[in-house]
Amino acid sequence: DQQVKQNSPSLSVQEGRISILNCDYTNSMFDYFLWYKKYPAEGPTFLISISSIKDKNEDGRFTVFLNKSAKHLSLHIVPSQPGDSAVYFCAASHADKLIFGTGTRLQVFP
Amino acid sequence: SAVISQKPSRDICQRGTSLTIQCQVDSQVTMMFWYRQQPGQSLTLIATANQGSEATYESGFVIDKFPISRPNLTFSTLTVSNMSPEDSSIYLCSAYTGDSAYEQYFGPGTRLTVT
Repeated sequence: DQQVKQNSPSLSVQEGRISILNCDYTNSMFDYFLWYKKYPAEGPTFLISISSIKDKNEDGRFTVFLNKSAKHLSLHIVPSQPGDSAVYFCAASHADKLIFGTGTRLQVFP
Repeated sequence: SAVISQKPSRDICQRGTSLTIQCQVDSQVTMMFWYRQQPGQSLTLIATANQGSEATYESGFVIDKFPISRPNLTFSTLTVSNMSPEDSSIYLCSAYTGDSAYEQYFGPGTRLTVT
């Protein structure tokens, strides 16, 4: 039972344009949502999070949107840069545990 | 924040043997976790490493297969026992410092190949 799903395994975006990564979840008990970025041969690094009581959180080029009624969150990266090329995982938190999605590989090309 | 190191970074092991992975955090942390990432898959939580007591395992993971120790607030080990090729994965340690809501810091991972 995959409680957190990222239905797009990959995304390719031109430099300077917007990257939108999507995530769906099934458990309404999740209280925090997080995005992590992972480069090859490295552990995931935290990017941005959002509480379930909010619908938007912004940090520089990164904005996360939460639609609780649809059980959907998205990560917007504007403008996209080649250094953003990585695998992005969304994660949901409940009872001090994180449940991760399967990841979306983002490639930003010049 | 926290900086996490893991040893070894990678290993190739024979079927039936065991490997112990070490995880060191540069500061005292409240919680430590062990994850597995199988090829092409998501990160799956194996267990929460509890300081001074037995680890708390997730469904599908048992102590006999994945014994975990956490002798203090900065160090933990995960042993993968009686390995089979299905255990070939990346094993990641993470820590929660309590600084911000549920943000966990991850080590670089240990890439295990079982032949």
